[in-house]
Amino acid sequence: GAGVSQSPRYKVAKRGQDVALRCDPISGHVSLFWYQQALGQGPEFLTYFQNEAQLDKSGLPSDRFFAERPEGSVSTLKIQRTQKEDSAVYLCASTLGTPYTEAFFGQGTRLTVV
Amino acid sequence: SQQGEEDPQALSIQEGENATMNCSYKTSINNLQWYRQNSGRGLVHLILIRSNEREKHSGRLRVTLDTSKKSSSLLITASRAADTASYFCATDNQAGTALIFGKGTTLSVSS
Repeated sequence: GAGVSQSPRYKVAKRGQDVALRCDPISGHVSLFWYQQALGQGPEFLTYFQNEAQLDKSGLPSDRFFAERPEGSVSTLKIQRTQKEDSAVYLCASTLGTPYTEAFFGQGTRLTVV
Repeated sequence: SQQGEEDPQALSIQEGENATMNCSYKTSINNLQWYRQNSGRGLVHLILIRSNEREKHSGRLRVTLDTSKKSSSLLITASRAADTASYFCATDNQAGTALIFGKGTTLSVSS
């Protein structure tokens, strides 16, 4: 595709529900990142993939958060037993090579936990 | 945790004026990037400056980098209403596995 695509754009979940957020990076991009952005804040790093390998998951806030990229392209961020504090915009970004190059961002998924 | 800190947090100017935003970071870096985010949208890359560069230009944007002070500045000249957005600096983390963003500067340009 032309850019990074995320789905759904909006998700409302009841507390305790599991959710899955999808990211389609730009074709051929090696690196993929997930970020969490609270209102009025900068994006907070969650996790990083290089192809299918998850090289850094130090930003995942709890073991309820899980991310995968099994074939080195599409990635899914899963949040189990959602809590109200999980409400945020989840951004996905990809880069052609290493993390040191220009990152292309998707529009994000706005998750609201009620 | 966030590597970069932008200053000021908010900036309001008139069209035609210049806007300067600053970013400070904590550890050594390979490069520093600036991004713009319009309300409710994803981030858009503006410019990248490498650690061995001191200044870079792109259109109305001018970025400086002072690695001895661990700081960078973004200057937008002749601002327009369309420049209204949040601006973030981003650096790689020590492990080289992520881009870490600051909290951003919210710029408001009024006509």
